Amino acid sequence: EAGVAQSPRYKIIEKRQSVAFWCNPISGHATLYWYQQILGQGPKLLIQFQNNGVVDDSQLPKDRFSAERLKGVDSTLKIQPAKLEDSAVYLCASSLVKAAPLHFGNGTRLTVT
Amino acid sequence: GENVEQHPSTLSVQEGDSAVIKCTYSDSASNYFPWYKQELGKGPQLIIDIRSNVGEKKDQRIAVTLNKTAKHFSLHITETQPEDSAVYFCAARTGTASKLTFGTGTRLQVTL
Repeated sequence: EAGVAQSPRYKIIEKRQSVAFWCNPISGHATLYWYQQILGQGPKLLIQFQNNGVVDDSQLPKDRFSAERLKGVDSTLKIQPAKLEDSAVYLCASSLVKAAPLHFGNGTRLTVT
Repeated sequence: GENVEQHPSTLSVQEGDSAVIKCTYSDSASNYFPWYKQELGKGPQLIIDIRSNVGEKKDQRIAVTLNKTAKHFSLHITETQPEDSAVYFCAARTGTASKLTFGTGTRLQVTL
């Protein structure tokens, strides 16, 4: 089966600019996650969708981050405006159902200068 | 919320030796414990997982053990090979809807 697709692979922006990341989960996977992985740390959940509804966004900095999953398939994560501390790898993952194992994409590496 | 600690942060072993990575968790209600392998420039890949009703699980050269009383679980890799070199993450989840909390990772280097 095709894996989780993410784009772009790399993005460099200046602080205060905006950026968007795209994710296409594995076909048929109802649950989609966005994780932030800062260099040298484990992934941290930003938001979890079940179909197109939000299950958990408790760790999403809502003043600057937003995410949507229209039609319960693809998802976009946006940062506006970006801060230096947002430099990280943004990982998208999907699972067949909420309790199923997660499958990760290769991530988008964001550098904020 | 759940807190997962992972040790060691780096581990170097010679090819053919065994490697052990240990994690502890804080929430006694956690019931699912996966291990992920992350290679440079790639996303984490699930290598093995264990649920709280099982004490040990093995898949070829890798095994995971769980001690619910002590709230710790370990990854064991036997007969290590250079391709085992990567960063390994443990994680824990409470219930079916709660988020997966990751450890801080262990960089494993297998030397020839």
